[in-house]
Amino acid sequence: DTGVSQDPRHKITKRGQNVTFRCDPISEHNRLYWYRQTLGQGPEFLTYFQNEAQLEKSRLLSDRFSAERPKGSFSTLEIQRTEQGDSAMYLCASSFSGELFFGEGSRLTVL
Amino acid sequence: AQTVTQSQPEMSVQEAETVTLSCTYDTSESDYYLFWYKQPPSRQMILVIRQEAYKQQNATENRFSVNFQKAAKSFSLKISDSQLGDAAMYFCAYRGRAGGTSYGKLTFGQGTILTVHP
Repeated sequence: DTGVSQDPRHKITKRGQNVTFRCDPISEHNRLYWYRQTLGQGPEFLTYFQNEAQLEKSRLLSDRFSAERPKGSFSTLEIQRTEQGDSAMYLCASSFSGELFFGEGSRLTVL
Repeated sequence: AQTVTQSQPEMSVQEAETVTLSCTYDTSESDYYLFWYKQPPSRQMILVIRQEAYKQQNATENRFSVNFQKAAKSFSLKISDSQLGDAAMYFCAYRGRAGGTSYGKLTFGQGTILTVHP
């Protein structure tokens, strides 16, 4: 499978715990995006990487959220001290210069 | 900031019939791209069709076509000969011009759930 892969697909955690999601983009893609999608809504942009550089962060990305893309390959999105409002689907997408290709997402449920 | 609005939370269509999903957007840019994405339940989002704003001709992809009205900032999707596999959430999305500070990110509408009845 040469598409965008995300892990884990589902994560259930208790409020206050830390969680980390991983995204493996399509290998030749230099651009990587994280989105958050709540139930019944459209995805909202969180952050963007070009290679290893994080070039843009949304105001939605509070200080409890951090994203990295070491070496410009895979990316991680960490949420510290999770809150119930963090429950959502976290989508990763990658591109080279045009079309975005999405992964299947990582669903987070915070109890 | 750009906004995308989909005013139809749900739509339904009979198999083999035609359905049109609506989308409006707001932008001050003159060069941009518009997209329709399909998100089946528990599946990844896939691109259905794209339209470059500088092109007057409406895009078509097999049974999918768009009606792009730049002045009205309207971008509707028409699905002809609807099939059961077309059932999904459909998102309209906007992207700024290449090389701009939008970095190619997409701004999505709220989505329209399409049900196809056999």
